[in-house]
Amino acid sequence: DIVLTQSPASLAVSLGQRATISCKASQSVDFDGDSFMNWYQQKPGQPPKLLIYAASNLESGIPARFSGSGSGTDFTLNIHPVEEEDAATYYCQQSNEDPYTFGGGTKLEIK
Amino acid sequence: QVQLQQPGAELVKPGASVKLSCKASGYTFTSHWMHWVKVRPGQGFEWIGEINPSNGGANYNEKFKRKATLTVDKSSSTAYMQVSSLTSEDSAVYYCTTDYGNPWFAYWGQGTLVTVSA
Repeated sequence: DIVLTQSPASLAVSLGQRATISCKASQSVDFDGDSFMNWYQQKPGQPPKLLIYAASNLESGIPARFSGSGSGTDFTLNIHPVEEEDAATYYCQQSNEDPYTFGGGTKLEIK
Repeated sequence: QVQLQQPGAELVKPGASVKLSCKASGYTFTSHWMHWVKVRPGQGFEWIGEINPSNGGANYNEKFKRKATLTVDKSSSTAYMQVSSLTSEDSAVYYCTTDYGNPWFAYWGQGTLVTVSA
């Protein structure tokens, strides 16, 4: 199975500043020029919400302050400028290989 | 709009089985695979498997092959997951999610909290 390691496990960012979350895969999640890495936001009591698909594509309706980058085994989610409503846990997920796997999550606190 | 309706909670006894439902609406149910995901606090997300509603063909995470069984009822646009021989390790929130033809999950049910307790 592909293991996704997220860091940090938690972070506190001041309002208006940048939050950067890393996701490292135990093997490449690229295939045929595409990166099969996705990012989700989850708030307590709610299902995950898709933010970024295929490493760098912003899902419809998601604010442009969210962005994703990376390829191969190293991926990053950036949030800038951070807003109060961004307090949540963020997860990366790979769909390049069965079984699909998720990172352990990064809890974002807004200072 | 795409909606996936799941019951909020199930309380089941150890050793029993439970059949979870996921009723789809707002799209052609048979056109897109349905997936199931298990979430436990401190254990993270685990992909259980996927089912093709058009023919019932399913793929499972090896870890869940003897634990979960995926089925569908095309007449009611409902996907089901039966979880058997329940233990405390099966207490979790179970989500259904459709890939809507893409290798990502844009649509999720609200999740069913399964509590295994005597």
